[in-house]
Amino acid sequence: DADVTQTPRNRITKTGKRIMLECSQTKGHDRMYWYRQDPGLGLRLIYYSFDVKDINKGEISDGYSVSRQAQAKFSLSLESAIPNQTALYFCATSDPPDNEQFFGPGTRLTVL
Amino acid sequence: GEDVEQSLFLSVREGDSSVINCTYTDSSSTYLYWYKQEPGAGLQLLTYIFSNMDMKQDQRLTVLLNKKDKHLSLRIADTQTGDSAIYFCAERGNQGGKLIFGQGTELSVKP
Repeated sequence: DADVTQTPRNRITKTGKRIMLECSQTKGHDRMYWYRQDPGLGLRLIYYSFDVKDINKGEISDGYSVSRQAQAKFSLSLESAIPNQTALYFCATSDPPDNEQFFGPGTRLTVL
Repeated sequence: GEDVEQSLFLSVREGDSSVINCTYTDSSSTYLYWYKQEPGAGLQLLTYIFSNMDMKQDQRLTVLLNKKDKHLSLRIADTQTGDSAIYFCAERGNQGGKLIFGQGTELSVKP
């Protein structure tokens, strides 16, 4: 079984809808991250959490919110989706000394 | 602010060496990474180098770090068609596990 899973894998939605992307991990890591990937822009950090009570904004948090429901679960919400949020979204986990981040398979989100 | 830059595309012939380059701006970077993304998949760590090292070799992969010029490179020897992927350079500063990624270099290996 995969260590970091994301649901859904693909989602098409309409402008203005609320969307939640979910991430679960079985690695027992405290630190979790949400990134979005756009062609030619690489990965940009949206939010990150270093433990269950810790939430931090990343580089591009506007229009997004997160919830860390448990050590193993970190959800990303788009309160009112807009077309420029169409992207590939990745969840990742790590633990100190943070030598590696482990990535999920990604969620492809299309906002029409 | 922190920034990591890569060229977007590289094309090589099978059997040749590939060299993917990266520049970064954060002089406090502690670790620098190379991740590989195959089509339709997430990112997988290829290798990383600590900032006090100049070179790291792992089988076909050689990482060179020029800290003075803030330049990182990844050399893949005897490049194979299975090496076709997007390669991301990333740097980690001194704020926990946060990574700053480059744009990714799409490597195309032609037979």
